Amino acid sequence: DAKTTQPPSMDCAEGRAANLPCNHSTISGNEYVYWYRQIHSQGPQYIIHGLKNNETNEMASLIITEDRKSSTLILPHATLRDTAVFYCIVRAYNTDKLIFGTGTRLQVFP
Amino acid sequence: DSGVTQTPKHLITATGQRVTLRCSPRSGDLSVYWYQQSLDQGLQFLIQYYNGEERAKGNILERFSAQQFPDLHSELNLSSLELGDSALYFCASSVTRGNTGELFFGEGSRLTVL
Repeated sequence: DAKTTQPPSMDCAEGRAANLPCNHSTISGNEYVYWYRQIHSQGPQYIIHGLKNNETNEMASLIITEDRKSSTLILPHATLRDTAVFYCIVRAYNTDKLIFGTGTRLQVFP
Repeated sequence: DSGVTQTPKHLITATGQRVTLRCSPRSGDLSVYWYQQSLDQGLQFLIQYYNGEERAKGNILERFSAQQFPDLHSELNLSSLELGDSALYFCASSVTRGNTGELFFGEGSRLTVL
């Protein structure tokens, strides 16, 4: 699985959009980009995934660049509950396990 | 609530001892995954079982073993415990092999080795 690079930490004001970047320059054609959130010491929670098209669900939007070498997770209106570690993971579709990196610790402040 | 149940939630034991962590996956999920999260190592994939058979192995120590039973629940056995084994152990489940990548995680079992 391709390696991902994320900033170790970010801040965001409550109610504002949080844009979390991820670099995956070695991603291959059959690899998807996944995002998970882990609130302190709880089990990680799936947010969204995509291959090459932008994706949106009730939690977030995922923007993947045309060359697929990077992506951005957008939380449109960050809440205090979004204070968590966000993991960007690249995984081939024909494998099951997820390999977590170090993630981005997002701090949402009032 | 993810639907994945892990027991016990907390466990304190001494070095050299052996413990068993239990995981009940979501109803209908055939795959179970075990992860270890310690302060200095992040989330480490240990092992995956699919419908009773080992499917993938990660950084699992030889002192650790796991199995998945016919009713699909899984157990992670940790033996000859060391101080460094103190960590959160997460279990996750998913529907089938080649799934969409959505793993459902339990709330974890916190192991403290004294």
